[in-house]
Amino acid sequence: EAQVTQNPRYLITVTGKKLTVTCSQNMNHEYMSWYRQDPGLGLRQIYYSMNVEVTDKGDVPEGYKVSRKEKRNFPLILESPSPNQTSLYFCASSFKGGNTIYFGEGSWLTVV
Amino acid sequence: AQSVAQPEDQVNVAEGNPLTVKCTYSVSGNPYLFWYVQYPNRGLQFLLKYITGDNLVKGSYGFEAEFNKSQTSFHLKKPSALVSDSALYFCAVRGPNAGGTSYGKLTFGQGTILTVHP
Repeated sequence: EAQVTQNPRYLITVTGKKLTVTCSQNMNHEYMSWYRQDPGLGLRQIYYSMNVEVTDKGDVPEGYKVSRKEKRNFPLILESPSPNQTSLYFCASSFKGGNTIYFGEGSWLTVV
Repeated sequence: AQSVAQPEDQVNVAEGNPLTVKCTYSVSGNPYLFWYVQYPNRGLQFLLKYITGDNLVKGSYGFEAEFNKSQTSFHLKKPSALVSDSALYFCAVRGPNAGGTSYGKLTFGQGTILTVHP
């Protein structure tokens, strides 16, 4: 079954404690990206990757890092989380130029 | 830069009445347009998309959307609303396959809360 898998789905953490949200897809997609969803702002792109070892900033990259060492995985790293990073995070993937975008189930992150 | 506007934060309709959720967009070139729905505490569900062809696109759960190039709009419609349609709806646009920094990026509207009253 084609899917994008995110973990953890729910996390409460403390300010400054590094965390990683993993994202994995099983469709051999070149393109992967991370979004955050906040009330009244819709979803905003954090980072994206067009292929292995190719990543770039989206609209709201501050406070985040990503890596793309393998095609299937695109982890989102919060080196020193702050409360303003409390949000719902979505990972997405697609073929390059494809018009079908697959989303993960979302990861609820709370930073206290 | 591409952008999407959903001018209504909330839409309220009575069950059985037609519903419209509005969306306008701005993008260079021919757009790819999408509608997604999000039920409370759930992820995003794909409803429908417009890539090319017929301006009227039919999707899941009886929803449809009409692409209007001259008005740069892609309004979501349903002839007869159900209480179970109550959810948060997002319109999104993706620029054409032309490379550059906007390549592949989905830009979302801020979302519209649809409430269908019994």
